[in-house]
Amino acid sequence: DQQVKQNSPSLSVQEGRISILNCDYTNSMFDYFLWYKKYPAEGPTFLISISSIKDKNEDGRFTVFLNKSAKHLSLHIVPSQPGDSAVYFCAASATDYKLSFGAGTTVTVRA
Amino acid sequence: EADIYQTPRYLVIGTGKKITLECSQTMGHDKMYWYQQDPGMELHLIHYSYGVNSTEKGDLSSESTVSRIRTEHFPLTLESARPSHTSQYLCASSESGTYNEQFFGPGTRLTVL
Repeated sequence: DQQVKQNSPSLSVQEGRISILNCDYTNSMFDYFLWYKKYPAEGPTFLISISSIKDKNEDGRFTVFLNKSAKHLSLHIVPSQPGDSAVYFCAASATDYKLSFGAGTTVTVRA
Repeated sequence: EADIYQTPRYLVIGTGKKITLECSQTMGHDKMYWYQQDPGMELHLIHYSYGVNSTEKGDLSSESTVSRIRTEHFPLTLESARPSHTSQYLCASSESGTYNEQFFGPGTRLTVL
C-alpha cells in the first residue's frame, strides 16, 4: 500500500516561471518530510525538508509547504532554471527513520 | 571528502550467478539503507542497518542479503541472480538522531539476462 503519492508524473514549465510539485500522504504517523532531486544514472540528492511542527520551510529558490490537516505538501521552485530539469521525489518518515517515497515527478524546464 | 560510494555502477550478468553490490561511506554514519527502484516507480526499502552487526529487512521483500561488519561498509549479495532482479539498487546512509536526511550513492544498475 503506497503511503506517499505524487499524482502528477510530469510537469513542464517555462524557464523563469514557478514550478509547483505536489505530494499527498496517508500515514498520520509521518512527522518529517523531504524532497529529493534525481538526475538519470545518479542517486537522489537531498533538496529540502520540513518537520511536522512547521508549515513552511524556505531555502533559496526552494520552498516546501506542509498542510497536515490535508496530509499534503508541495514544493515550489522559483524561478525555474534549465538545471532544475530532473525527477523530484517526495519522501516521508516516522520515528523509525525509514523513508517512504512517492513515484516521482519529472520536471522539464523549457527555454 | 566525505561521500558514499557504490560499485559497480553497471552490471550485466547471466541467470544463476552470485553477485555482490558494494556500498561504502566515509561520513561515519551509523544508519545505512538499500533501496530498489524501477523506472517511473518509487524507491522501495529492501534492507537497513542501524549499526554494526545490526541488519533488518525493509518494506519490500527481497531475496538479497546484507551484512554490516564495519560501520562504513554495507554490501548486498544475491546468491542466484534472476531476470526479476533487474533493477537499480541505491545505497544510502544517515546520521543518528531525528530529522536527518539520507545521503545516497550513485546507484548500481543491474541487468540479469
